[in-house]
Amino acid sequence: DTAVSQTPKYLVTQMGNDKSIKCEQNLGHDTMYWYKQDSKKFLKIMFSYNNKELIINETVPNRFSPKSPDKAHLNLHINSLELGDSAVYFCASSEGGAILGTEAFFGQGTRLTVV
Amino acid sequence: GIQVEQSPPDLILQEGANSTLRCNFSDSVNNLQWFHQNPWGQLINLFYIPSGTKQNGRLSATTVATERYSLLYISSSQTTDSGVYFCAVFTGTASKLTFGTGTRLQVTL
Repeated sequence: DTAVSQTPKYLVTQMGNDKSIKCEQNLGHDTMYWYKQDSKKFLKIMFSYNNKELIINETVPNRFSPKSPDKAHLNLHINSLELGDSAVYFCASSEGGAILGTEAFFGQGTRLTVV
Repeated sequence: GIQVEQSPPDLILQEGANSTLRCNFSDSVNNLQWFHQNPWGQLINLFYIPSGTKQNGRLSATTVATERYSLLYISSSQTTDSGVYFCAVFTGTASKLTFGTGTRLQVTL
């Protein structure tokens, strides 16, 4: 049973397109995150949601819009894709509120390539 | 915000060798995790270790929170240990996991 699953695993698209990445966790966790890993392997947080509410929006362009329909799902929609958006995007989840910092588990990542 | 530095940045080992990876952080933390990113890109949880010492097979980790560092020990390394090792810290004030710069490990035959 996959704990945190993302789809798709690979996404190749043209500049200017709109795309979505879906994330689901079956761990019963309250908090979900989106992270971006750049070409130098650096991992940086984009968004954090706790019980469907946005907690962190880390100066991400407003072309990126997260949506949490329930606490088990956190999707990422990207409008007007740019070459610089090419990266690996990871979804993660952790138990408890954003203050506690309990163990986080990551999905397998979505490699986005914008051409 | 908090700074998380890892050393060394790159490490090449022969199979069977031991190694120690270090993670220094600039402020108090609620939580510290070690991850292994394998060559297929998966982030695998190794340890959740806000303080103290834990062992899991050939791997062990120690966090000294008062001195703001953590160490990951790999003994009798194997080629499957290759990849990038990240530490990540969680601060309640920031409400997020901040990742370190990573150590890229290559284990050769």
